[in-house]
Order: sequence, then structure tokens, then C-alpha cells
Amino acid sequence: EADIYQTPRYLVIGTGKKITLECSQTMGHDKMYWYQQDPGMELHLIHYSYGVNSTEKGDLSSESTVSRIRTEHFPLTLESARPSHTSQYLCASRNQGTAFFGQGTRLTVV
Amino acid sequence: QKEVEQNSGPLSVPEGAIASLNCTYSDRGSQSFFWYRQYSGKSPELIMFIYSNGDKEDGRFTAQLNKASQYVSLLIRDSQPSDSATYLCAVSTGGYQKVTFGIGTKLQVIP
Repeated sequence: EADIYQTPRYLVIGTGKKITLECSQTMGHDKMYWYQQDPGMELHLIHYSYGVNSTEKGDLSSESTVSRIRTEHFPLTLESARPSHTSQYLCASRNQGTAFFGQGTRLTVV
Repeated sequence: QKEVEQNSGPLSVPEGAIASLNCTYSDRGSQSFFWYRQYSGKSPELIMFIYSNGDKEDGRFTAQLNKASQYVSLLIRDSQPSDSATYLCAVSTGGYQKVTFGIGTKLQVIP
């Protein structure tokens, strides 16, 4: 079982609020990823990082930001939540091999 | 052209049959290839991964790579109803930092 954790698991929040989704891994992996996935739909890469102080935007512009100050921690921040941000957010990490996923955060913006 | 393409299905096979899932990728320099299984409402979980140097078999699952044609396949032998899920193909691209997923193929194993 992979040691990658996401909190919160579920979040309902009002429009305009600032939120941070947490992701931590204890495997010492350099590479970490955030994906967005709507029910029954494909995974979209939002951000990724290949090490401390390095972050890149993925294919989907979700008006979010990330930081990578420590290897084990890769938080995702939405400065002003909108209903269009309602989705499942999945964090993953890997070294040279496979990517392991956290359990996800299901975000609902009302 | 999408970086990783899969037929979304659904692919229906009878119990005990071989299920064959395919995906194509666009980056000829890709080196790592992954198959994930995702049950509805759950996170993807890794089934198989292969590097560019060969095929791999693990129990009922076999992953095959055809570099010339740029496609990866997953064979599931003796399919079980519990195999019913969406199967995601993923490819490591962009200097091996990015992991890009296909849309996933929904597999239905009919008892």
C-alpha cells in the first residue's frame, strides 16, 4: 500500500473562498502530480513537480497554484473557488517507476 | 492529437474470456508505460508497468508494447466480473517527468 495521503477527503465550500488541498507522501518520491477528474471522465494533469522548488503547469488551467517547499508535501491552492472547480482532485507521486495515488479530495463549490 | 488515446468503450466480454485493451501514444520518445484500474468513485490503482525494453506478464495480466506502431496493450486472461472497471493507460513523457493518462476504457465482464 502506497503512503500518500490527501486531506480533506470531502470539502463543501462557498464561492469566492480560498482553499488549500493537502497532499503528503512518505516515500521520498521526487515527482508529484495533481490531477482533476470529473465523475466518469478522464484525468487531467493540473500541476506537477520534479523536486523541491520546482513546479510546472499541466495541460489543464484550473486557476490553481502549487508549492513544493518540502519533498513530502505538495499542496494545491485555489485562491477563489468557483462552482466550475467542483470536481475530484487526485494527488500522485513517483520516483523512476510507477505513480501511486492518494484517495482524492472531492470538492464541491456552492 | 492527444498524447494518449484510448477507446472509451464499453468493452463487454463474457466471464472467462480474454479482454484486450489498447492505447496509442504520440511521443515516440516515451519510455515508461502504465496500466491502472479505476473502480467507480475510487482512485486509480496500478496493475502493470513496462519500460521500453519489453513485455511483462503478471498473473492473469500481460502488458505488451509495440514501439514501431506506438501502442500498448493489456490482456486480461480468464476475465472475472470483479475485473469490471475502467482501465487507464498512462505514458511517461516530457523528459519522463509528466505522466499523461488516456481517457480510459470501461470494461464490463458479463457473468
